[in-house]
Amino acid sequence: RKEVEQDPGPFNVPEGATVAFNCTYSNSASQSFFWYRQDCRKEPKLLMSVYSSGNEDGRFTAQLNRASQYISLLIRDSKLSDSATYLCVVNPMFSGGYNKLIFGAGTRLAVHP
Amino acid sequence: DGGITQSPKYLFRKEGQNVTLSCEQNLNHDAMYWYRQDPGQGLRLIYYSQIVNDFQKGDIAEGYSVSREKKESFPLTVTSAQKNPTAFYLCASSPRTGGKNIQYFGAGTRLSVL
Repeated sequence: RKEVEQDPGPFNVPEGATVAFNCTYSNSASQSFFWYRQDCRKEPKLLMSVYSSGNEDGRFTAQLNRASQYISLLIRDSKLSDSATYLCVVNPMFSGGYNKLIFGAGTRLAVHP
Repeated sequence: DGGITQSPKYLFRKEGQNVTLSCEQNLNHDAMYWYRQDPGQGLRLIYYSQIVNDFQKGDIAEGYSVSREKKESFPLTVTSAQKNPTAFYLCASSPRTGGKNIQYFGAGTRLSVL
């Protein structure tokens, strides 16, 4: 089983649609979670951290379900500019010393007019 | 402008050749990382460094080498021992390696074999 798993997509949605991605992780001790966005042939950029109580940033909402070991990203009112690959990222341990980030392979979103 | 600069953007390697990818940051971050990204796969960690003059192997270090002589710089050498070097190489940095460990990336170098 992969440490971080995502549906590769693509998710093809019209502008204005609401779309949700899920990501599952295998290490129950994981403490930090993130969503990164990666445009085609570009570097990943931090979209948002994911907090235990869930958090929102404009049209984006991230949620964490520790019991089922998954995180989700909801995008409301999709824009053409949201087209990208969304990477789920997990920090398996929270302690002193090096904390390795585990990257999912990404979910591709294509928003069309 | 603060950030992470990778060069070159594109690089071609001949058979048996060593090539070096540059990564410089002016964010005053302690930790730096090198990742490799292949199509349809997640980023895989090659090497990381938590502090100057110290670095550790990641998951796929074979065929690669690094140095960390200055806080700002973390060059990666792809040696001739790396038999499948074609990939997108990403350098990242973070203020420290503990805690949330939010990492910021450079624009990447695409390496191809001639």
